[in-house]
Amino acid sequence: EPEVTQTPSHQVTQMGQEVILRCVPISNHLYFYWYRQILGQKVEFLVSFYNNEISEKSEIFDDQFSVERPDGSNFTLKIRSTKLEDSAMYFCASSEFIGAGYEQYFGPGTRLTVT
Amino acid sequence: QKEVEQNSGPLSVPEGAIASLNCTYSDRGSQSFFWYRQYSGKSPELIMSIYSNGDKEDGRFTAQLNKASQYVSLLIRDSQPSDSATYLCAVMGYTGGFKTIFGAGTRLFVKA
Repeated sequence: EPEVTQTPSHQVTQMGQEVILRCVPISNHLYFYWYRQILGQKVEFLVSFYNNEISEKSEIFDDQFSVERPDGSNFTLKIRSTKLEDSAMYFCASSEFIGAGYEQYFGPGTRLTVT
Repeated sequence: QKEVEQNSGPLSVPEGAIASLNCTYSDRGSQSFFWYRQYSGKSPELIMSIYSNGDKEDGRFTAQLNKASQYVSLLIRDSQPSDSATYLCAVMGYTGGFKTIFGAGTRLFVKA
């Protein structure tokens, strides 16, 4: 069964460093998403991406964040200058399309620890 | 601010019983409704989706949607200890773009 994959599973970085989180969405899906979940808190939407453009973003997704589809399979989230409060699980998800009738499937997540 | 509210629980039910999980949402324009299961330290796993008023059944799971009351529920029949997890309600709406809002989740314990 097709699944979303993410690498690395755990990333430790120092405050102020740049990190890139990687995702391979399900192959026939066209919409891609990033979510984050701070420990003990709810899953929060960051951004959706379609046709090489950001489709929607949340207030959390500020200038320190960027997304890219560098090739035909990978989808990345870059955090430019990490802060302690960026420590969280980051989930990538994908769907065939968007709107009623289209379901989002989540990857296993990357645990980001900022020290 | 669009909100999705769930009782945090924990909800404790004996094995074999029906577990009932509830969710309310604030955005009347919401179009798609999802239930995810999340085990501790794992990612959300899609259980059910529902888009129109009424009931939708899939195996031991039944999702119910009432848009007039802005209410979504999930029933788990014949609950098993392996169903013990946090259940997340997610709602997708459109306001210039599609965005999915998650509730904080309800922790379910199924006692053997």
